[in-house]
Amino acid sequence: SQTIHQWPATLVQPVGSPLSLECTVEGTSNPNLYWYRQAAGRGLQLLFYSVGIGQISSEVPQNLSASRPQDRQFILSSKKLLLSDSGFYLCAWSRMRGGRSTGELFFGEGSRLTVL
Amino acid sequence: AQSVAQPEDQVNVAEGNPLTVKCTYSVSGNPYLFWYVQYPNRGLQFLLKYITGDNLVKGSYGFEAEFNKSQTSFHLKKPSALVSDSALYFCAVRDLRGASGGSYIPTFGRGTSLIVHP
Repeated sequence: SQTIHQWPATLVQPVGSPLSLECTVEGTSNPNLYWYRQAAGRGLQLLFYSVGIGQISSEVPQNLSASRPQDRQFILSSKKLLLSDSGFYLCAWSRMRGGRSTGELFFGEGSRLTVL
Repeated sequence: AQSVAQPEDQVNVAEGNPLTVKCTYSVSGNPYLFWYVQYPNRGLQFLLKYITGDNLVKGSYGFEAEFNKSQTSFHLKKPSALVSDSALYFCAVRDLRGASGGSYIPTFGRGTSLIVHP
């Protein structure tokens, strides 16, 4: 069966410090990978998605970046955090069929980031 | 672009009563629709999906959803609500984005908070 791991679960960081959130998927190969941010416990904002190693699409220009160094590893980073980067970050994966994602997502448990 | 709308920020229902969480969609072509549930401080969990076929789709935890093409709706339903059903519910539609054939990315609604009272 497939599993997705996301860490750390909770993070408190000062403004201007770097960030690294990591996500790994097991039990599948060549998944599509996604990073979402959820602010104020409600709407989901798609930040990045990746269809393969080294292939990153950015949805919103911002202070964050993403990398996919291995097939099942997806990393969200920042060089200098802003207060507005606080939120609940969710990693997700989806199966591929016919060369495209099925559209059905499987989410990690999330990482809550507080920037002070 | 494809989109979904969840017109209610919050739905309140008494335990044991039927519940409905509303979703309407706007798509070009055939819609691929999904429902997800999110419990506090957790990731989203997939509940059910509609691709084609029967208009009534059954999913996890006793939930079902009814696809209505004429009303462009995909409402989530459960015959008898439980207190443990209290959570945030998201409707989503599959959208095609990007170049070179593109990739299917779900577009989510804003979410509806379901509160089931004992």
